[in-house]
Amino acid sequence: AAGVIQSPRHLIKEKRETATLKCYPIPRHDTVYWYQQGPGQDPQFLISFYEKMQSDKGSIPDRFSAQQFSDYHSELNMSSLELGDSALYFCASSLRVSGANVLTFGAGSRLTVL
Amino acid sequence: TQLLEQSPQFLSIQEGENLTVYCNSSSVFSSLQWYRQEPGEGPVLLVTVVTGGEVKKLKRLTFQFGDARKDSSLHITAAQPGDTGLYLCAGDSGGFKTIFGAGTRLFVKA
Repeated sequence: AAGVIQSPRHLIKEKRETATLKCYPIPRHDTVYWYQQGPGQDPQFLISFYEKMQSDKGSIPDRFSAQQFSDYHSELNMSSLELGDSALYFCASSLRVSGANVLTFGAGSRLTVL
Repeated sequence: TQLLEQSPQFLSIQEGENLTVYCNSSSVFSSLQWYRQEPGEGPVLLVTVVTGGEVKKLKRLTFQFGDARKDSSLHITAAQPGDTGLYLCAGDSGGFKTIFGAGTRLFVKA
């Protein structure tokens, strides 16, 4: 079965540079989520999209932006990178059904800012 | 702000012992999930509980959702080294934002 695909898996950037992470959700899933997980921390919700429209926003810095495209893939754009942005970034997708919203996560993109 | 408090944060036990992890909140959730995460990988779903008072069993793992749908527990019987990992509870309030607890890092010694 197809899973959530994230790219790149690893990314190294300098401070003040820009990075773009991509996410391809499970086919027919209608919601995409982005999470940031620092070392030893739980995943922190950044933003979500339902049917290509932003549906909820969490602790996403103003330097970050995201969008979902017509083919349902999503991109997280991060500008003016700071050392503290170094983390694992997870994308997850779900199909909203009555009773529960179950997320399937990708393998993550590890961003290192030097 | 919704918060999920998970305890304990760290647990180191011997193979064969039993353990319980707790997930508590002052908020009501429409569903609650338990995930397990290996280092450098994404969380993998273990179970979803939806109904207050629901109990689900997955081999040696027993999950319970509180009657008021504000808390949950995960009980592992006869833990094995393969159970080692980070266990995360996650709450869905029916919106588009699933929040996670801080996680319980379990280490089972052979």
